[in-house]
Amino acid sequence: DIQMTQSPSSVSASVGDRVTITCRASQGISTWLAWYQQKPGKAPKVLIYGASNLQSGVPSRFSGSGSGTDFTLTISSLQPEDFATYYCQQANSLPWTFGQGTKVEF
Amino acid sequence: EVQLVESGGGLVKPGGSLKLSCVVSGLPFSPAWMSWVRQAPGKGLEWVGRMKSKGGGGTTDYATAVKGRFIISRDDSQNTLYLLMNSLQIEDTALYYCAWIPKCSDGACYLDRWGQGTLVTVSP
Repeated sequence: DIQMTQSPSSVSASVGDRVTITCRASQGISTWLAWYQQKPGKAPKVLIYGASNLQSGVPSRFSGSGSGTDFTLTISSLQPEDFATYYCQQANSLPWTFGQGTKVEF
Repeated sequence: EVQLVESGGGLVKPGGSLKLSCVVSGLPFSPAWMSWVRQAPGKGLEWVGRMKSKGGGGTTDYATAVKGRFIISRDDSQNTLYLLMNSLQIEDTALYYCAWIPKCSDGACYLDRWGQGTLVTVSP
């Protein structure tokens, strides 16, 4: 199975900050990577697919980049509604796998 | 209105079985791939498995932890996805989500729409 490792596991930030989350795959996955946001008690929501494609309706302050084994999710200017847990997920090889999550908190 | 509604969760003893359902409305179901994802209490997301559309072959694939115990099926006439869970173990305790996959090509394959989940508790 491909291991997806996110860093950091948690990040303390303030409104207006630029936040970057990294996801590393244990082997190359091309651009078969998606990013999800999950708020407490809610289902996950896709933000980015194909490593860098912004899902419709997602604010442009979210962006994704990377290919192969190293990927980043960037929030350019953190907003109050962005405090949540973020997950990466690979779909290059079966079984699909998620990263362990990164919690963005105050 | 788009809805994915899971049901069938509950309390079951180790070694028991349970069948979950996910009814989809407001989205094209028969051409879509579908997936199950679970989340143990206080933990991260874990992919359980997925089923391709019948037109795409209707094949299923599973996570290592559930392969041989869980079976995914679908009834396109009812816009319903199922997850049959056998030989349940305490570590299968989780909130189980179904998710709709709109695209799986050109380097992009993602879980676009999710239900709210159904809770499965495995306890003696």
